[in-house]
Amino acid sequence: SYVLTQPPSVSAAPGKTARITCGGNNIESKSVHWYQHKSVHWSQQGPGQAPVLVIYYDTDRPSGIPQRFSGSNSGNTATLTISRVEAGDEADYYCQVWDSSSDRPVFGGGTKLTVL
Amino acid sequence: EVQLVESGGGVVRPGGSLRLSCVASGFTFDDHDMAWVRQVPGKGLEWVSGINWNGSSTDYVDSVKGRFTISRDNAKNSLYLQMNSLRVEDTAFYHCAREERVAAGIWFDPWGQGVLVTVSS
Repeated sequence: SYVLTQPPSVSAAPGKTARITCGGNNIESKSVHWYQHKSVHWSQQGPGQAPVLVIYYDTDRPSGIPQRFSGSNSGNTATLTISRVEAGDEADYYCQVWDSSSDRPVFGGGTKLTVL
Repeated sequence: EVQLVESGGGVVRPGGSLRLSCVASGFTFDDHDMAWVRQVPGKGLEWVSGINWNGSSTDYVDSVKGRFTISRDNAKNSLYLQMNSLRVEDTAFYHCAREERVAAGIWFDPWGQGVLVTVSS
């Protein structure tokens, strides 16, 4: 099955640029989508936090997502770029594609963005 | 407002069963395929199961095949996940999500906030 590889962690200071990569074989032939997930601590009972779509179709932003979020996809690497990073951007970020060979979605392992 | 709200999570012993529900609002439910995606402690997102708009086609990740059943009731704008023979490794937050499809691109938006399923003796 298709494998997506993300770095476990990325850090950036407020106001700087964070780049999160998503590697896959010839990923440029696929549409890549990105999610932001501010997961809750496992000791907390009750509901969790909904992942939020921040980029779809490689480069498109859903309504309500700041222009600071952008995406690109070329060769074997897709990239989520967050400009002018803010404390509120601290979260886990996941890339996702649809694997046509299995007809199933595939997620990357996730990248934790830390705002310094 | 487009919204998905899950319920039915809880603590269950290994081998037990749970039924998760997800109620949709703010959009035409039977216009969309739907899915369940989980997050295991300390790990990432994992697609669990998907169902097409009228329930005639379903699919599952290999690890839950034969144990979980996805279904929907379009009259009630509801999605379900029947989980049987639960294992410790099924412990996770379970999110329902709406599929969006445009040409070759398929993504999930929106997502529910998720319910916690804990399988423990």
